Amino acid sequence: GQQLNQSPQSMFIQEGEDVSMNCTSSSIFNTWLWYKQDPGEGPVLLIALYKAGELTSNGRLTAQFGITRKDSFLNISASIPSDVGIYFCAGLYSGAGSYQLTFGKGTKLSVIP
Amino acid sequence: NAGVMQNPRHLVRRRGQEARLRCSPMKGHSHVYWYRQLPEEGLKFMVYLQKENIIDESGMPKERFSAEFPKEGPSILRIQQVVRGDSAAYFCASSRGEEQYFGPGTRLTVT
Repeated sequence: GQQLNQSPQSMFIQEGEDVSMNCTSSSIFNTWLWYKQDPGEGPVLLIALYKAGELTSNGRLTAQFGITRKDSFLNISASIPSDVGIYFCAGLYSGAGSYQLTFGKGTKLSVIP
Repeated sequence: NAGVMQNPRHLVRRRGQEARLRCSPMKGHSHVYWYRQLPEEGLKFMVYLQKENIIDESGMPKERFSAEFPKEGPSILRIQQVVRGDSAAYFCASSRGEEQYFGPGTRLTVT
């Protein structure tokens, strides 16, 4: 089956610093999605990417869909305490009528005020 | 505009009992997905349903687990004769297209 390698597993950063995390896959995806999950809650969709090479921003978040369709990164600029949480990448290959998401294992972000 | 709703949020069952998890998709969404999450792990796909149809159940264990999305009412994930290994957070997501929106989850604890 498809596997996603997400790195880093965890990060400790100072408030105000920029953050970068990425996902790589052994196979291609049609769509990349980035989610944030707070403890005890469901994942919240942050950014969706649909085309190879696409660069998309949502406020302080920027994400890119890699040219090879096997990778994606997420950047957070000027981090603030409420950015704390676990960030997941998820890839979607919608061939053969299936829409199952494959998730990375997450990047746990801690922000030191 | 309510999001995806799941209930109960927490469910405790003894080994051998049945667990029923309910999911109401976002208004206008006709696709429902169920995922399972173990501690410190990402979500794992279980099943994808449209109204009255199971489209993809490739992630569903072959025994004890079943899912439905009837014409009327919420989607149900049913686990029969639960075992300790079924303890996990179960998330439902809904979509119209490729963007999936998740509910708050049901945390199942099997004692």
